[in-house]
Amino acid sequence: EAAVTQSPRNKVAVTGGKVTLSCNQTNNHNNMYWYRQDTGHGLRLIHYSYGAGSTEKGDIPDGYKASRPSQENFSLILELATPSQTSVYFCASGTESGNTLYFGEGSRLIVV
Amino acid sequence: SQLAEENSWALSVHEGESVTVNCSYKTSITALQWYRQKSGKGPAQLILIRSNEREKRNGRLRATLDTSSQSSSLSITATRCEDTAVYFCATYANSGTYQRFGTGTKLQVVP
Repeated sequence: EAAVTQSPRNKVAVTGGKVTLSCNQTNNHNNMYWYRQDTGHGLRLIHYSYGAGSTEKGDIPDGYKASRPSQENFSLILELATPSQTSVYFCASGTESGNTLYFGEGSRLIVV
Repeated sequence: SQLAEENSWALSVHEGESVTVNCSYKTSITALQWYRQKSGKGPAQLILIRSNEREKRNGRLRATLDTSSQSSSLSITATRCEDTAVYFCATYANSGTYQRFGTGTKLQVVP
């Protein structure tokens, strides 16, 4: 069974603070993704990765950085968090074909 | 930009009825994936339909794809309360390497 684990599941951060969202997958998939989900916008891609050491910008990368130190781990970093980054963040892994994604259960971030 | 979108924001049906969720997209694609997201969970894939396929089935689920009109539908027969969820379509484009999601259709199945 595919397994993608996110941490923390819930986080309250202060404006201007640094936030790191972590994701671990045990699927041995090359590709990993970070999406955010907001009412009225569905899921929007922030960053993705083809493998260890690689990160690519998605559709809404501004204000976010990503890090892929290993096949299993992919982090999303908010260096200076803003209230507009309050959202639910989902990590996913997928095969190189990209046709099917396996999602984690989400990380709810509130920036105050 | 939103390259895929479902055509209804919300639907409500009674248990046992059939329901169809529609999706339209704006670019050439290689595949379209339907996902279901239950409350508090991440999306889970339901059916993958490739651009050279017109119909795909998975149990009570049936997906269609019309590349000429750039649209897809997901039909659920004999709905159950546990089908209550948000349904997304996501397109995988020729030139892209990641999926783009629609805004989702919220389906409520009531007893």
